Amino acid sequence: LAKTTQPISMDSYEGQEVNITCSHNNIATNDYITWYQQFPSQGPRFIIQGYKTKVTNEVASLFIPADRKSSTLSLPRVSLSDTAVYYCLVGDGTDRGSTLGRLYFGRGTQLTVWP
Amino acid sequence: DTEVTQTPKHLVMGMTNKKSLKCEQHMGHRAMYWYKQKAKKPPELMFVYSYEKLSINESVPSRFSPECPNSSLLNLHLHALQPEDSALYLCASSQDSAGGPYEQYFGPGTRLTVT
Repeated sequence: LAKTTQPISMDSYEGQEVNITCSHNNIATNDYITWYQQFPSQGPRFIIQGYKTKVTNEVASLFIPADRKSSTLSLPRVSLSDTAVYYCLVGDGTDRGSTLGRLYFGRGTQLTVWP
Repeated sequence: DTEVTQTPKHLVMGMTNKKSLKCEQHMGHRAMYWYKQKAKKPPELMFVYSYEKLSINESVPSRFSPECPNSSLLNLHLHALQPEDSALYLCASSQDSAGGPYEQYFGPGTRLTVT
Protein backbone atom coordinates (compact mmCIF):
# COMPACT_ATOMS: atom_id res chain seq x y z
CA LEU A 1 0.00 0.00 0.00
CA ALA A 2 1.18 3.49 -0.81
CA LYS A 3 2.71 5.38 2.09
CA THR A 4 1.62 8.94 2.68
CA THR A 5 3.54 11.88 4.08
CA GLN A 6 1.85 14.95 5.50
CA PRO A 7 2.99 17.90 7.62
CA ILE A 8 2.60 17.09 11.30
CA SER A 9 0.91 20.39 12.08
CA MET A 10 -0.40 23.58 10.51
CA ASP A 11 -1.78 26.82 11.91
CA SER A 12 -4.26 29.18 10.35
CA TYR A 13 -6.61 32.00 11.25
CA GLU A 14 -10.34 32.13 10.88
CA GLY A 15 -11.50 33.04 7.40
CA GLN A 16 -8.34 31.93 5.66
CA GLU A 17 -8.05 29.20 3.07
CA VAL A 18 -6.00 26.23 4.22
CA ASN A 19 -4.17 23.85 1.91
CA ILE A 20 -2.79 20.59 3.28
CA THR A 21 -0.53 18.68 0.94
CA CYS A 22 0.02 14.94 1.07
CA SER A 23 2.83 13.10 -0.72
CA HIS A 24 2.25 9.58 -2.02
CA ASN A 25 5.11 8.89 -4.41
CA ASN A 26 4.38 5.18 -4.89
CA ILE A 27 0.66 5.49 -5.54
CA ALA A 28 -0.67 2.64 -7.68
CA THR A 29 -2.77 2.95 -10.81
CA ASN A 30 -5.93 1.76 -9.07
CA ASP A 31 -5.46 3.81 -5.90
CA TYR A 32 -7.84 6.55 -4.85
CA ILE A 33 -6.95 9.39 -2.50
CA THR A 34 -9.22 9.90 0.48
CA TRP A 35 -9.20 12.43 3.30
CA TYR A 36 -10.70 12.01 6.75
CA GLN A 37 -11.12 14.53 9.57
CA GLN A 38 -10.99 13.63 13.25
CA PHE A 39 -11.92 15.69 16.28
CA PRO A 40 -10.61 14.71 19.75
CA SER A 41 -12.35 11.66 21.22
CA GLN A 42 -14.46 11.16 18.10
CA GLY A 43 -14.26 8.78 15.18
CA PRO A 44 -12.83 9.99 11.87
CA ARG A 45 -15.22 11.51 9.39
CA PHE A 46 -14.96 11.20 5.61
CA ILE A 47 -14.28 14.51 3.88
CA ILE A 48 -13.53 13.88 0.23
CA GLN A 49 -12.17 11.32 -2.22
CA GLY A 50 -10.69 11.60 -5.69
CA TYR A 51 -8.71 9.83 -8.36
CA LYS A 52 -7.37 12.64 -10.55
CA THR A 53 -7.68 16.34 -11.34
CA LYS A 54 -10.05 18.18 -9.03
CA VAL A 55 -12.95 17.14 -6.86
CA THR A 56 -15.13 19.56 -4.94
CA ASN A 57 -17.91 19.05 -2.44
CA GLU A 58 -19.71 21.25 0.03
CA VAL A 59 -16.86 21.29 2.54
CA ALA A 60 -13.58 20.93 0.64
CA SER A 61 -11.73 20.60 -2.63
CA LEU A 62 -9.15 18.03 -3.56
CA PHE A 63 -6.50 18.84 -6.12
CA ILE A 64 -4.56 15.99 -7.71
CA PRO A 65 -1.82 16.72 -10.27
CA ALA A 66 -1.40 14.62 -13.39
CA ASP A 67 1.36 12.44 -11.91
CA ARG A 68 -0.81 11.75 -8.82
CA LYS A 69 2.25 11.64 -6.59
CA SER A 70 0.75 14.24 -4.30
CA SER A 71 -2.60 15.76 -3.49
CA THR A 72 -3.81 18.90 -1.77
CA LEU A 73 -6.84 19.22 0.46
CA SER A 74 -8.21 22.75 0.34
CA LEU A 75 -10.51 24.07 3.07
CA PRO A 76 -12.03 27.43 2.16
CA ARG A 77 -12.51 30.06 4.85
CA VAL A 78 -11.77 27.91 7.89
CA SER A 79 -13.42 28.49 11.24
CA LEU A 80 -12.45 27.52 14.78
CA SER A 81 -14.53 24.36 14.40
CA ASP A 82 -12.20 23.13 11.66
CA THR A 83 -9.49 22.56 14.25
CA ALA A 84 -8.89 18.82 13.93
CA VAL A 85 -6.53 16.16 12.64
CA TYR A 86 -6.70 15.57 8.89
CA TYR A 87 -5.66 12.20 7.48
CA CYS A 88 -4.69 11.47 3.88
CA LEU A 89 -5.15 7.85 2.82
CA VAL A 90 -4.31 6.09 -0.41
CA GLY A 91 -5.71 2.76 -1.49
CA ASP A 92 -8.17 1.04 -3.74
CA GLY A 93 -10.11 -0.97 -1.19
CA THR A 94 -10.56 -3.76 -3.68
CA ASP A 95 -9.92 -7.41 -3.09
CA ARG A 96 -6.52 -7.23 -4.65
CA GLY A 97 -3.36 -7.99 -2.72
CA SER A 98 -5.58 -8.48 0.33
CA THR A 99 -6.33 -4.78 0.71
CA LEU A 100 -10.00 -5.70 1.13
CA GLY A 101 -11.33 -2.55 2.72
CA ARG A 102 -8.30 -1.87 4.84
CA LEU A 103 -7.82 1.75 5.77
CA TYR A 104 -4.29 2.60 6.81
CA PHE A 105 -4.07 5.93 8.50
CA GLY A 106 -0.82 7.88 8.38
CA ARG A 107 0.24 10.27 11.09
CA GLY A 108 -2.16 13.00 9.99
CA THR A 109 -1.92 16.79 10.12
CA GLN A 110 -3.06 18.65 13.21
CA LEU A 111 -4.72 21.81 11.94
CA THR A 112 -5.20 24.55 14.53
CA VAL A 113 -7.38 27.52 13.61
CA TRP A 114 -6.90 30.66 15.68
CA PRO A 115 -9.36 33.52 16.13
CA ASP B 1 -29.75 7.31 9.35
CA THR B 2 -25.98 7.54 8.84
CA GLU B 3 -25.04 6.87 12.42
CA VAL B 4 -22.86 4.21 13.95
CA THR B 5 -23.50 3.83 17.66
CA GLN B 6 -21.13 2.35 20.20
CA THR B 7 -21.69 1.35 23.80
CA PRO B 8 -20.47 1.95 26.37
CA LYS B 9 -18.85 5.35 25.89
CA HIS B 10 -16.40 4.67 28.70
CA LEU B 11 -15.26 1.40 30.26
CA VAL B 12 -12.88 0.72 33.11
CA MET B 13 -11.93 -2.89 33.65
CA GLY B 14 -9.43 -4.90 35.61
CA MET B 15 -7.01 -7.28 33.99
CA THR B 16 -9.06 -10.30 35.07
CA ASN B 17 -12.43 -8.97 33.91
CA LYS B 18 -14.46 -9.99 30.88
CA LYS B 19 -16.32 -7.24 29.11
CA SER B 20 -17.79 -6.54 25.69
CA LEU B 21 -17.95 -3.53 23.42
CA LYS B 22 -20.97 -3.15 21.17
CA CYS B 23 -21.43 -1.44 17.83
CA GLU B 24 -24.59 -1.01 15.77
CA GLN B 25 -25.48 0.46 12.39
CA HIS B 26 -28.72 0.56 10.44
CA MET B 27 -27.44 1.77 7.08
CA GLY B 28 -27.57 -1.65 5.47
CA HIS B 29 -23.79 -1.78 5.35
CA ARG B 30 -22.28 -5.21 4.85
CA ALA B 31 -18.78 -4.45 6.12
CA MET B 32 -17.90 -3.58 9.69
CA TYR B 33 -14.58 -2.79 11.29
CA TRP B 34 -12.84 -2.47 14.63
CA TYR B 35 -10.00 0.01 15.09
CA LYS B 36 -7.81 0.80 18.08
CA GLN B 37 -6.49 4.31 18.64
CA LYS B 38 -3.95 5.29 21.25
CA ALA B 39 -3.60 8.89 22.36
CA LYS B 40 -2.17 11.17 19.67
CA LYS B 41 -1.77 8.24 17.26
CA PRO B 42 -3.73 7.35 14.13
CA PRO B 43 -6.38 4.62 14.22
CA GLU B 44 -5.06 1.11 13.66
CA LEU B 45 -7.18 -1.53 11.97
CA MET B 46 -7.90 -4.62 14.07
CA PHE B 47 -10.65 -6.63 12.36
CA VAL B 48 -12.80 -6.51 9.25
CA TYR B 49 -16.10 -8.33 8.86
CA SER B 50 -17.57 -8.73 5.42
CA TYR B 51 -21.09 -10.13 5.10
CA GLU B 52 -20.93 -11.22 8.75
CA LYS B 53 -17.78 -13.25 8.24
CA LEU B 54 -14.38 -12.33 9.62
CA SER B 55 -12.24 -11.44 6.62
CA ILE B 56 -9.29 -9.68 8.20
CA ASN B 57 -7.55 -10.12 11.55
CA GLU B 58 -4.55 -7.84 11.72
CA SER B 59 -2.63 -10.19 14.03
CA VAL B 60 -4.62 -9.06 17.03
CA PRO B 61 -3.95 -10.90 20.33
CA SER B 62 -6.55 -13.53 21.24
CA ARG B 63 -7.61 -11.57 24.31
CA PHE B 64 -9.65 -9.56 21.79
CA SER B 65 -12.43 -11.64 20.27
CA PRO B 66 -14.75 -10.11 17.66
CA GLU B 67 -18.24 -11.30 16.90
CA CYS B 68 -20.78 -10.30 14.28
CA PRO B 69 -24.19 -11.70 15.32
CA ASN B 70 -25.96 -10.12 12.36
CA SER B 71 -25.41 -7.54 9.66
CA SER B 72 -26.22 -4.63 11.99
CA LEU B 73 -24.27 -5.61 15.07
CA LEU B 74 -20.61 -5.99 15.89
CA ASN B 75 -19.18 -6.94 19.24
CA LEU B 76 -15.68 -6.99 20.64
CA HIS B 77 -15.23 -9.33 23.58
CA LEU B 78 -12.41 -8.47 25.96
CA HIS B 79 -10.70 -10.83 28.37
CA ALA B 80 -7.50 -10.67 30.39
CA LEU B 81 -6.47 -7.34 28.93
CA GLN B 82 -3.27 -5.54 29.77
CA PRO B 83 -2.88 -1.89 30.79
CA GLU B 84 -1.30 -1.17 27.40
CA ASP B 85 -4.62 -2.11 25.80
CA SER B 86 -6.11 1.09 27.16
CA ALA B 87 -7.21 3.10 24.15
CA LEU B 88 -10.15 4.44 22.17
CA TYR B 89 -11.85 1.59 20.32
CA LEU B 90 -13.59 2.67 17.17
CA CYS B 91 -16.18 0.81 15.17
CA ALA B 92 -16.87 1.63 11.53
CA SER B 93 -19.05 0.38 8.73
CA SER B 94 -19.11 0.71 4.97
CA GLN B 95 -21.27 -0.37 2.09
CA ASP B 96 -18.91 -3.22 1.36
CA SER B 97 -15.25 -4.04 1.89
CA ALA B 98 -14.31 -5.00 -1.66
CA GLY B 99 -14.84 -3.23 -4.93
CA GLY B 100 -14.40 0.12 -3.24
CA PRO B 101 -12.91 2.22 -1.86
CA TYR B 102 -16.03 2.94 0.13
CA GLU B 103 -16.54 5.66 2.67
CA GLN B 104 -16.28 4.29 6.17
CA TYR B 105 -18.65 5.66 8.78
CA PHE B 106 -17.15 5.71 12.24
CA GLY B 107 -18.81 5.59 15.62
CA PRO B 108 -17.77 7.86 18.50
CA GLY B 109 -15.70 5.14 20.09
CA THR B 110 -15.44 3.48 23.48
CA ARG B 111 -12.75 4.85 25.78
CA LEU B 112 -11.29 1.77 27.48
CA THR B 113 -9.09 1.93 30.57
CA VAL B 114 -7.48 -1.25 31.86
CA THR B 115 -6.35 -1.09 35.48
